[in-house]
Formats: sequence, structure tokens, C-alpha cells
Amino acid sequence: DAGVIQSPRHEVTEMGQEVTLRCKPISGHNSLFWYRQTMMRGLELLIYFNNNVPIDDSGMPEDRFSAKMPNASFSTLKIQPSEPRDSAVYFCASSLLSLRENYEQYFGPGTRLTVT
Amino acid sequence: AQSVTQLGSHVSVSEGALVLLRCNYSSSVPPYLFWYVQYPNQGLQLLLKYTTGATLVKGINGFEAEFKKSETSFHLTKPSAHMSDAAEYFCAVSPRAGKSTFGDGTTLTVKP
Repeated sequence: DAGVIQSPRHEVTEMGQEVTLRCKPISGHNSLFWYRQTMMRGLELLIYFNNNVPIDDSGMPEDRFSAKMPNASFSTLKIQPSEPRDSAVYFCASSLLSLRENYEQYFGPGTRLTVT
Repeated sequence: AQSVTQLGSHVSVSEGALVLLRCNYSSSVPPYLFWYVQYPNQGLQLLLKYTTGATLVKGINGFEAEFKKSETSFHLTKPSAHMSDAAEYFCAVSPRAGKSTFGDGTTLTVKP
């Protein structure tokens, strides 16, 4: 298994531009999580999906951020317009959740976003 | 509601010394507990987890953790630190079939 795949690995963009981060979860997993990690704020959960449906988006910073999961094998996190304070490492993770079990999350390698 | 507190954002030990990283949690239901490790420029990966059963859990790289319900703790230990253990460690708690809540992380430094 290739694990969780994220692209791009690095993104440098100018303030005001649209940024799209992509994630392919592990096959068979039914939950997907987007996190943001910075030195100042640590690891923050932005949004998570279960069976392609957004369950909790309370961590999304503001309306500039949006996330979609059109099918079980693909998700995007979009920032429009981007700002310098969005600079961070964005992680995608997937997991298998059921009514009786909560398995560990598998993290992707992250996308390092720099907004200038 | 659930929360995690990792005591000590930075821990420094000498190579060969005992590693002890502290984690306390609160949860309104019986929790699942996890420790993850993050090496520089990488994502988090699972070290070990407690679900049910034996309260002493063994993980990869010689780490282990003990679930103590009365103390609401899940501390991570390793008898002898190695230079390769230098990383950031995250404790996480989740209810069954729910999202995990992560602690703020503890950076472990291993001195030669």
C-alpha cells in the first residue's frame, strides 16, 4: 500500500492566489482528516469527513478555506485568496472508523505551503 | 468532551537514559489512546495504541505506555534512549468511532 498521498509536497505562491492541496487516502479507509501544523499553533484539525460527508468543519479558519471529498479516493483543500498567515504544513490523514472501533490515523507526508 | 495534556513541551535526556513523556487525558467515555511520533519533515506515525485489554501496551522502537484509569494517564516510556529517538511525540485520545484530539506535542532531544 502506498499510504496516504499528498500533492504537491511544496507550494510557494503569492498572496491573493488560489491554492489547492490534494489528498488520496488509503484504500478502504472511510474517514479523512485535514490538519494544519505551525510552530505557533501546533497541530490543528481543520475538517474531517466520514464516508465522504463533512462531519466537523469547526476548525476551518474562515471562509477562505474550503474542502471537498467528491469520492472515497480523493479530497481537496482550497484556500482562496491565500494570505501569508496561511503558511504552514498541511497534513491529510485517513482512518477506518466504525460504530465499534476507532483505528489509528495514517498521515501523509504533508504539503509545505509558503505564501509570500 | 475530551482533552489531552502533555506535560513538558521539551524533554532532554542523555543517550542510554530513561525516556518518560507524560500524557494526561479527560474523556466522558472510555477512551482509545494513542502515541504518535513525528520525525523532522515527515508526517505523524503511530507508535502504539490502547483500546481495551492489557493496560501495558508495547509499541515500535522499544517504546511502551501504561493506561492508568485512576490517574487518567497514558505516559510513554523507553528504558534506554537512542539518538534516533529524537523527534516530536504526540498523545491523542478519542472516543470509540469519533475523531481524535491531539496534545500539543513534546519534543524529545537526545544528547550524546
